[in-house]
Amino acid sequence: RKEVEQDPGPFNVPEGATVAFNCTYSNSASQSFFWYRQDCRKEPKLLMSVYSSGNEDGRFTAQLNRASQYISLLIRDSKLSDSATYLCVVNMNAVSGNEKLTFGTGTRLTIIP
Amino acid sequence: DVKVTQSSRYLVKRTGEKVFLECVQDMDHENMFWYRQDPGLGLRLIYFSYDVKMKEKGDIPEGYSVSREKKERFSLILESASTNQTSMYLCASNFRLTGELFFGEGSRLTVL
Repeated sequence: RKEVEQDPGPFNVPEGATVAFNCTYSNSASQSFFWYRQDCRKEPKLLMSVYSSGNEDGRFTAQLNRASQYISLLIRDSKLSDSATYLCVVNMNAVSGNEKLTFGTGTRLTIIP
Repeated sequence: DVKVTQSSRYLVKRTGEKVFLECVQDMDHENMFWYRQDPGLGLRLIYFSYDVKMKEKGDIPEGYSVSREKKERFSLILESASTNQTSMYLCASNFRLTGELFFGEGSRLTVL
């Protein structure tokens, strides 16, 4: 099983729609979770952290389900500018005992006019 | 604004050549990272450094080495480039090992 797994998509969604995607992780001891956004030919940038209680930032809502070991990202009223690849990032404990951030392969989202 | 600068956006090298990729950050971050990004494989950690002259292997260190002589600068070295090292290389830095990562714009390396 991959440490961090995402549906690669692509998700093609009409403008104004709501879209959600999940990310599953293998290490039940993981403590920190993030969503990054990567535009085409650009570097990844932090979109939002994911807290145990869930968190919302405008049209974006992130949630954590520890029992089922997944995090989710919900985008409401999608805009053309939301087209990007969304990367799930999880803090995994490495074999050496050091913590490290592990990236999913990303979910590609295209908003259609 | 945090700025992570990678010296070369695009490089083309021949098999067997030595390749240096330079990364500089201006926010006094303790930690610096080198990733490679390939389609379908996502970002994979090559090496990271949590202090000057300190380095730790990531998930795919084979064929690479790194150097951190100054806090702001982290270099990735390919001693003898091979075609399977053709990739996008991303440098990143942060304060805490599991905190927000700030990335450079990336260096796209093609090895012929």
